[in-house]
Amino acid sequence: AQSVTQLDSHVSVSEGTPVLLRCNYSSSYSPSLFWYVQHPNKGLQLLLKYTSAATLVKGINGFEAEFKKSETSFHLTKPSAHMSDAAEYFCVVSGRGTNAGKSTFGDGTTLTVKP
Amino acid sequence: DTGVSQNPRHKITKRGQNVTFRCDPISEHNRLYWYRQTLGQGPEFLTYFQNEAQLEKSRLLSDRFSAERPKGSFSTLEIQRTEQGDSAMYLCASSLDDYYEQYFGPGTRLTVT
Repeated sequence: AQSVTQLDSHVSVSEGTPVLLRCNYSSSYSPSLFWYVQHPNKGLQLLLKYTSAATLVKGINGFEAEFKKSETSFHLTKPSAHMSDAAEYFCVVSGRGTNAGKSTFGDGTTLTVKP
Repeated sequence: DTGVSQNPRHKITKRGQNVTFRCDPISEHNRLYWYRQTLGQGPEFLTYFQNEAQLEKSRLLSDRFSAERPKGSFSTLEIQRTEQGDSAMYLCASSLDDYYEQYFGPGTRLTVT
């Protein structure tokens, strides 16, 4: 069994300030973890992924996330927000190996960036 | 590589009618997934294929829903006797294999009137 909890449904930041989107997961096995972004009327785009290599994962557009097994967390961060970062963000947990297949999405976090 | 494509992009149908959606994955991708997304929610897993074999189906996939992936290439998702509760965005994704990230198509928005 697996689940994802995105701790904030809405996050608002000012342009140029740091972004933190929080994600906790639950999994019966060693999971793969992903962050996707969805801009209005656009498809889901992969930001970054964790698949058991380095625990600090760097993604596109300056985003990164740190896998913390002890805290079962995979929070997404960016040092400086840009107006174009305003979108919906989804944390995803997926099984691997014999447990691979089904991916479970969080309910999403809406990021607003104020000028 | 043109990415994952889905057709149609929008479908309006009357309750009780049957609808079929098509998904063309990225070529060489062995895995193909179907999800449903309603407003304000994250995508919910429906089913996935490894080549032509359907390996898992969610409990969300009632008997009115059926999916196929003949020859392990494109896939179709059919909904019979549509209900208003079926109104949603239906997303298709593909991946190289189980260790790899999924690439999503633009979705098919279904409206049941």
